[in-house]
Parts: sequence; C-alpha cells; structure tokens
Amino acid sequence: GAGVSQSPSNKVTEKGKDVELRCDPISGHTALYWYRQSLGQGLEFLIYFQGNSAPDKSGLPSDRFSAERTGGSVSTLTIQRTQQEDSAVYLCASSSKPGAGYEQYFGPGTRLTVT
Amino acid sequence: QQQVKQSPQSLIVQKGGISIINCAYENTAFDYFPWYQQFPGKGPALLIAIRPDVSEKKEGRFTISFNKSAKQFSLHIMDSQPGDSATYFCAAVISNFGNEKLTFGTGTRLTIIP
Repeated sequence: GAGVSQSPSNKVTEKGKDVELRCDPISGHTALYWYRQSLGQGLEFLIYFQGNSAPDKSGLPSDRFSAERTGGSVSTLTIQRTQQEDSAVYLCASSSKPGAGYEQYFGPGTRLTVT
Repeated sequence: QQQVKQSPQSLIVQKGGISIINCAYENTAFDYFPWYQQFPGKGPALLIAIRPDVSEKKEGRFTISFNKSAKQFSLHIMDSQPGDSATYFCAAVISNFGNEKLTFGTGTRLTIIP
C-alpha cells in the first residue's frame, strides 16, 4: 500500500524566499506530524495535527513557520523569508490514531537547502 | 535541553557481533520508548518499542533492555549483519492521548563490517 509521500524531494531556494513543503499522509490516518532533521539539532518535533482539533504548534521555531492541513488529509508546511539555518530535511509522519502505541509512519522527507 | 541522550554517536561492529546503543532520559513522564532505524534517503522506520513496565523486549535479533530506576534503555542487535548498517534513533513519548510527539535522541550511525 501507499506510504506517506512528500514533495518536493529536494528544494533549493535563495535566502529570503518563501517555500511550501507538501505531505500526503497514509489514507485514513488522523494524526499527522512534522519533524525537522538537521545536522546540528537531530530530529525535532515541529507541529501536530489530529482530526479537526487545533494543531499543536509548540515545536515551531519561529513565526516564519506555519502549517495547515486541509480536509484532514494533505498538509503543507510553509517557511517564509527562509534563512540559511532553515536548511534541513523536513519529515512528515502519520499514524492511524493518536496514542503512543500507534506507529508513526514517516515519509522520505524534503531536503531544503537555503543558499 | 537534550531530554534523551544517546551514545555512541557512531559504532563499527564486525559481522556476527553484538551492537549496543544506549539512551538515557530525564523526564519520568515518558512512558513509551521506541527505536527507529533510518537508511540514507529514507524516513525513520519503527524497529521495536517498549513500555517501562517491562525490563526487556525481544523481537528477532533486536532486544530492548530497560532500566526504569536508572532512566536508561538500550538496543542490542545480535548477530549483526551488513544490512543492519543504518542510523538508529531512540525516542521517548508521553502518552496523553493528545500530542504523542516523539522526542528523539541524537542518533547512532552503525556500520557492520564483514
């Protein structure tokens, strides 16, 4: 079956430009997470969506970062006025239900390079 | 603040040997501890997980040992194979049926040599 997909797989952008990263979770999965994987910081949580509940944005590093999830499915992570420190791999994960016992399935990530 | 500390950063083990990766946590509210395996260019994938009410969990060649009093847990890979070469992350979760976000360790790059 189809797993979590992310697009684009690679994105190179100039400092100061805005970027949008897309995540298609596994069909029927209600919980969706964004994480960032960078050399200096490891894997860190960014934002969480569950059904129609308000998202948990506690991991977003600055107000330049935002995300939305439309129709309980596809999610878009937007980074405005990109900075070089935003360079990282952005990973999306989904799970069938909230709860620690439910596996989070990760996509392959989007590698963002800010020049 | 690193809530989950992982060591070593890299590890080289001969084929057939035992690979051991260690993690320690600070927050006693963590109650679920998964390990993830990541190959280059791929997202992490769940390998094995444990809850703190048991001291050991084994799945095939992979075993988690858990020491609640010491707030430590480790992954043991028995009979390590070249296909096990990957980066391994320990993680911890607080189960609150809200946001079960993963708090990751910094990762261990494992290389199995023939």
